[in-house]
Amino acid sequence: EPEVTQTPSHQVTQMGQEVILRCVPISNHLYFYWYRQILGQKVEFLVSFYNNEISEKSEIFDDQFSVERPDGSNFTLKIRSTKLEDSAMYFCASSEAGGGMEQFFGPGTRLTVL
Amino acid sequence: GENVEQHPSTLSVQEGDSAVIKCTYSDSASNYFPWYKQELGKRPQLIIDIRSNVGEKKDQRIAVTLNKTAKHFSLHITETQPEDSAVYFCAANSNSGYALNFGKGTSLLVTP
Repeated sequence: EPEVTQTPSHQVTQMGQEVILRCVPISNHLYFYWYRQILGQKVEFLVSFYNNEISEKSEIFDDQFSVERPDGSNFTLKIRSTKLEDSAMYFCASSEAGGGMEQFFGPGTRLTVL
Repeated sequence: GENVEQHPSTLSVQEGDSAVIKCTYSDSASNYFPWYKQELGKRPQLIIDIRSNVGEKKDQRIAVTLNKTAKHFSLHITETQPEDSAVYFCAANSNSGYALNFGKGTSLLVTP
């Protein structure tokens, strides 16, 4: 069964550094998402992406964040200047369609900002 | 924005008993309500979902009910087993349809 994959599984970085988290969505899916989960807390929506555009973003997704689909398979989340509070598990997800279709989650990237 | 409240935060049941988790949402435009199970250190996995044109849905030991008027939906697990132990999250989609807004989760423990 196809799955969403993410790399790396764990990223450690120094405060102020840029990080890029990578995701490969399921191949026939058209909608892509990033969520984050701070340890022990709920999953929080960051951004959705369709047709090479951001379709929705949350208050968390400020100017420090950006997303890109650099080629036909990858979907990336960039954090320009990491802060301690960016430490979290970041999940990529994808769905065939938007507006109430099942979102399939990747295994996550644990980001630790020191 | 959408606010999803989930109760209880922890739930402990004996194997074979039923477990019920309840959620409320605030945005009347929400029309999709999934439930995810998350085991420790793993990805959230969809276990059941319901759309607003349906009041109840069942899949083996798992059922979900939706009351659109009251803006609440519930997860029912019957004949619980130790492997049901996990954190369960409810969610509702945003009024634009894309984002899933999650509840804070229920940590379910099923003791043999």
